[in-house]
Amino acid sequence: EAGVVQSPRYKIIEKKQPVAFWCNPISGHNTLYWYLQNLGQGPELLIRYENEEAVDDSQLPKDRFSAERLKGVDSTLKIQPAELGDSAVYLCASSLEARSEQFFGPGTRLTVL
Amino acid sequence: AQTVTQSQPEMSVQEAETVTLSCTYDTSESDYYLFWYKQPPSRQMILVIRQEAYKQQNATENRFSVNFQKAAKSFSLKISDSQLGDAAMYFCAGGSQGNLIFGKGTKLSVKP
Repeated sequence: EAGVVQSPRYKIIEKKQPVAFWCNPISGHNTLYWYLQNLGQGPELLIRYENEEAVDDSQLPKDRFSAERLKGVDSTLKIQPAELGDSAVYLCASSLEARSEQFFGPGTRLTVL
Repeated sequence: AQTVTQSQPEMSVQEAETVTLSCTYDTSESDYYLFWYKQPPSRQMILVIRQEAYKQQNATENRFSVNFQKAAKSFSLKISDSQLGDAAMYFCAGGSQGNLIFGKGTKLSVKP
């Protein structure tokens, strides 16, 4: 069974540029999560989807971050414009349902110069 | 609000020995669950073990077991017969409605 797929694995951009991350969850998983992980810290939830619906985006900085999950499968997380402080690893995870074990992707390491 | 605290930034264990990683949590929810995740240097987070709060019995997965003390709000992970491949960051996490709160992690080193 294929795991959670994320791309790109690494991204380096100049500040004020836009950037997008893509996630393909495990087939059949209804719940999808985007996390932010700073160096030396645990992941922090940005947004959670139940199928196509964003059920918790309270930690998403909506002035510059946006996310979508079309057709309840793949998801894209966008930052526009990026700031220096956005440098981090962005993790995507999925689960069968909200209470189930979460399976994580390899993450995208973003560096903003 | 839920909080998860890991008080050991780093731990070290000799190969084949046993090590215990500590975690405390605080929640007002009555129905919650707890996890230990492992994150090797390659960065992919892997589930180690899960514990439901309503279950009295401590969860066990091969060499990994938990000591769940509900009253003390403690959820420690014991790794027996430690192997070199166990070296990683270990994160304790808790949740109740799907959103997990993670601790800051404990970096485990395994000495040959």
